[in-house]
Amino acid sequence: DTAVSQTPKYLVTQMGNDKSIKCEQNLGHDTMYWYKQDSKKFLKIMFSYNNKELIINETVPNRFSPKSPDKAHLNLHINSLELGDSAVYFCASSQATYNEQFFGPGTRLTVL
Amino acid sequence: AQTVTQSQPEMSVQEAETVTLSCTYDTSESNYYLFWYKQPPSRQMILVIRQEAYKQQNATENRFSVNFQKAAKSFSLKISDSQLGDTAMYFCAFRNNAGNMLTFGGGTRLMVKP
Repeated sequence: DTAVSQTPKYLVTQMGNDKSIKCEQNLGHDTMYWYKQDSKKFLKIMFSYNNKELIINETVPNRFSPKSPDKAHLNLHINSLELGDSAVYFCASSQATYNEQFFGPGTRLTVL
Repeated sequence: AQTVTQSQPEMSVQEAETVTLSCTYDTSESNYYLFWYKQPPSRQMILVIRQEAYKQQNATENRFSVNFQKAAKSFSLKISDSQLGDTAMYFCAFRNNAGNMLTFGGGTRLMVKP
């Protein structure tokens, strides 16, 4: 009965590769997010997405793109991976009319 | 843009004692929401407590309570009767009324000692 799930939990890949991280929520929420947590534990929003609008943090490189096949899923696709992309990526969801965000368990991405 | 500052990178407390974690924020808005999240070693982000800025009463959740000082833009978290399971990173977060995205502080690492 996991609320927000992410796969994989760990991802190790070479520089230059393209990879995706999947996120699914079974809470019936209409808004989903991606956050990045760097090595110093600093958390920063990357994207906010609902069925009407994609909001992109302007500091996110365009190598990162969210893809949502339906309301319950928001996948993160990353092109041409760089060493600096190594981080933990968190997916979250919320109901637009309610403020609490529920987080997934995170995906630790390591770029070699 | 909003900023959230946690001035204590690390703190420790003895089991069963009380500890207060500090958070300040900067915003020009009058209506917004504040949160404390806990991140244990498992790295799962867990909501601890939330506060609506339009509410004067401080939020409480069992052993967790906040001291919300709107004029000072301060939002501290008090943990009473600390338990070993409280050992974690604690993040203060801000959300404005219009958007859904959270702005996080840099975190405070709390160690509860037996």
